[in-house]
Amino acid sequence: DAGVIQSPRHEVTEMGQEVTLRCKPISGHDYLFWYRQTMMRGLELLIYFNNNVPIDDSGMPEDRFSAKMPNASFSTLKIQPSEPRDSAVYFCASSSPSGGPITGELFFGEGSRLTVL
Amino acid sequence: SQKIEQNSEALNIQEGKTATLTCNYTNYSPAYLQWYRQDPGRGPVFLLLIRENEKEKRKERLKVTFDTTLKQSLFHITASQPADSATYLCALAARRSQGNLIFGKGTKLSVKP
Repeated sequence: DAGVIQSPRHEVTEMGQEVTLRCKPISGHDYLFWYRQTMMRGLELLIYFNNNVPIDDSGMPEDRFSAKMPNASFSTLKIQPSEPRDSAVYFCASSSPSGGPITGELFFGEGSRLTVL
Repeated sequence: SQKIEQNSEALNIQEGKTATLTCNYTNYSPAYLQWYRQDPGRGPVFLLLIRENEKEKRKERLKVTFDTTLKQSLFHITASQPADSATYLCALAARRSQGNLIFGKGTKLSVKP
């Protein structure tokens, strides 16, 4: 298996532009998570899905952020409009149904490094 | 407020020694605790999971302890090697927040030859 695949790996954009980050979870995993990592705040959970349905989006910073999971093999995280404080590494992770969200290990992608100028 | 603290941002040790990393938490009732390794520019990789009713877990040169009274987990790497150099993250799963895995900021371990 190729693991969790994220794109783009790097994104540089200007303030006010729309940013879309993409994630393909491991096949068969029914939980998908979006995290954001910064030096100041560490790794923060933004939102997670179970069977394509958003379960907890309390970590989404504000209405500028939105996430979708139209099918079991694809998810997007969108920021519109982007701001410099959104600069961070965004990670997608998935986990297997037998493990569940709090017992099983998370498989992380390599991350998308976003820089907003 | 809920908080997870890892004892230090950085830890430097000599090859062959045992590295001990600490994870303390407050205002949580954790059901599980996990440890991850993160290399620069990469995503975290799962290492070990320990449940609240377990005192200790081992995997090869790794050992994790979990003391719910002290609200602390210790992560040990015995016979450390330069290849063990990385950032290690602890993560808690709170019983009341299923699915919400809360991460510490990590400890950067450097093992010198």
